[in-house]
Amino acid sequence: DTGVSQNPRHKITKRGQNVTFRCDPISEHNRLYWYRQTLGQGPEFLTYFQNEAQLEKSRLLSDRFSAERPKGSFSTLEIQRTEQGDSAMYLCASSLGNLDTQYFGPGTRLTVL
Amino acid sequence: AQSVTQLGSHVSVSEGALVLLRCNYSSSVPPYLFWYVQYPNQGLQLLLKYTTGATLVKGINGFEAEFKKSETSFHLTKPSAHMSDAAEYFCAALIQGAQKLVFGQGTRLTINP
Repeated sequence: DTGVSQNPRHKITKRGQNVTFRCDPISEHNRLYWYRQTLGQGPEFLTYFQNEAQLEKSRLLSDRFSAERPKGSFSTLEIQRTEQGDSAMYLCASSLGNLDTQYFGPGTRLTVL
Repeated sequence: AQSVTQLGSHVSVSEGALVLLRCNYSSSVPPYLFWYVQYPNQGLQLLLKYTTGATLVKGINGFEAEFKKSETSFHLTKPSAHMSDAAEYFCAALIQGAQKLVFGQGTRLTINP
């Protein structure tokens, strides 16, 4: 069990650029979640997948955000036309199934200049 | 809508003293409850969780929490603080039938030598 991994760990970009983050869940976990955490706040839910199907999206996930999980393995989160308000820590978590413990990765810290 | 409230954004205790971090939830149905710890620039690590059964839950690093349905609380305690306990602590709830964790705003624990 290697845990949840996320890449890159840090990303600095200029406003208007597109960025993509990757999450590799624990291998046998069917569910994968994305959360966003801003400074001094708790994580907020963005979206989740069961296998390759994206089953729920938060209202926080604007049209500029898109997430995929091809083949039900790793997932990517893309932000188009980044804005300064997108600066945050993006956390990925995975779980075995419904109501099971969610295990978190180390996060990707995005800074939009 | 369910919510999680952590009383005190910052708690400071002396090394060796009792640690008490407060968490209250609002939900018509008792949720599954979790405490996570976050060290600087890292992801969230599970400390302990309550699902059903025994209301006193023991976790890692000497922490424990008690679920009190009548008070809608899930406070985290540790009898004797250690310098390594300094971190941010998050209480979270998972409502049965929902898929996402709802987090409190976090409590930063400082340990004084």
